Amino acid sequence: DTGVSQDPRHKITKRGQNVTFRCDPISEHNRLYWYRQTLGQGPEFLTYFQNEAQLEKSRLLSDRFSAERPKGSFSTLEIQRTEQGDSAMYLCASSSGQGVSNYGYTFGSGTRLTVV
Amino acid sequence: DQQVKQNSPSLSVQEGRISILNCDYTNSMFDYFLWYKKYPAEGPTFLISISSIKDKNEDGRFTVFLNKSAKHLSLHIVPSQPGDSAVYFCAGPGAGGTSYGKLTFGQGTILTVHP
Repeated sequence: DTGVSQDPRHKITKRGQNVTFRCDPISEHNRLYWYRQTLGQGPEFLTYFQNEAQLEKSRLLSDRFSAERPKGSFSTLEIQRTEQGDSAMYLCASSSGQGVSNYGYTFGSGTRLTVV
Repeated sequence: DQQVKQNSPSLSVQEGRISILNCDYTNSMFDYFLWYKKYPAEGPTFLISISSIKDKNEDGRFTVFLNKSAKHLSLHIVPSQPGDSAVYFCAGPGAGGTSYGKLTFGQGTILTVHP
């Protein structure tokens, strides 16, 4: 059971730089989600993919953010021209689409971004 | 417009006693709720769910109660163990997300169980 893998685990970057995170979902899962969690808050939905199609983007995802899932397997989340307000834990999750209401879905350990 | 709220940021309980974590919601159309547990430096892990057609669901030491008239749910942990110390999140379907599993989370409650 490889679970959901995220890389890197930690990223420190200077304001204005671009960063890219990677998520490898559970292999048979066709649904992939990105969430962001800041201190003292619960995870907030950013975007959702079904296979390679990005079906919803939150208004939290400004023009500086872009996510891809080119072959319906791994996904990347890129933040351009990072700002200090982008500092957060970025969580990826995946699901087969069945049983979410009973079993939720599987999260990765997250990438903690610190913008200095 | 936060649809799921956890108004207690923290809870401290003695080992062996009951822990009760609370969650309020605003959308009466939610058809299920989930509880997640999160340890530091890890992602949230699914704990237990409840369908809106039920008022109780039990799994070992964990029981979730749903009061639809009050739009309130609670997670009971009996008996509490030090390993239960974590952040607990309740979650419901996000707006428009029932069909594909988008979730909206509460702010979380930090549970500390003292030996």
